[in-house]
Amino acid sequence: GAGVSQSPSNKVTEKGKDVELRCDPISGHTALYWYRQSLGQGLEFLIYFQGNSAPDKSGLPSDRFSAERTGGSVSTLTIQRTQQEDSAVYLCASSLLGGAKNSPLHFGNGTRLTVT
Amino acid sequence: GNSVTQMEGPVTLSEEAFLTINCTYTATGYPSLFWYVQYPGEGLQLLLKATKADDKGSNKGFEATYRKETTSFHLEKGSVQVSDSAVYFCALPDSGNTGKLIFGQGTTLQVKP
Repeated sequence: GAGVSQSPSNKVTEKGKDVELRCDPISGHTALYWYRQSLGQGLEFLIYFQGNSAPDKSGLPSDRFSAERTGGSVSTLTIQRTQQEDSAVYLCASSLLGGAKNSPLHFGNGTRLTVT
Repeated sequence: GNSVTQMEGPVTLSEEAFLTINCTYTATGYPSLFWYVQYPGEGLQLLLKATKADDKGSNKGFEATYRKETTSFHLEKGSVQVSDSAVYFCALPDSGNTGKLIFGQGTTLQVKP
């Protein structure tokens, strides 16, 4: 079956512009995660959706970042007024049950965002 | 919340050498522990996991044992191959059953022929 799909794979934008990053999770997976991977910084948690529960937004670095998940499936991460420090690879992952105990995360290949 | 620390890289080895990548954790209770691998140009994928103390996870010749006495989950492989060149991440769930997975900084492994 299809894995987690992210688009675009690469995005170059000018400082101050808004960008939208898309994630199509594996069908039937109830949990969806966004992480940010910066060079030398490891994976930084951004936001987590689990079913119909309120999302865990505790990792969003500023109010310029927001995300939504429509119909329990596709998710969009939006960054407004992009800054150069937003340049990173944005990874989406989905999980069948969430909770991570026995339900591994399946990652997409990421969107590489470059802010010039 | 829970946290994980792994050895800094990069690690450079010759083919067939023995590999150890250290990972230690701080956690409430005894959460499951994971190793993920990221091959060049790809997303992360689960390499192995252990769900309770003294469990040994294994896959593709890699092993890691859940040691609660030393709060460690070191990754080992007896004989690495060039194809093992990748970034390896140790991970565990955050406390409170939030569903959030906490990752280490990642360790880059380069295997030379």
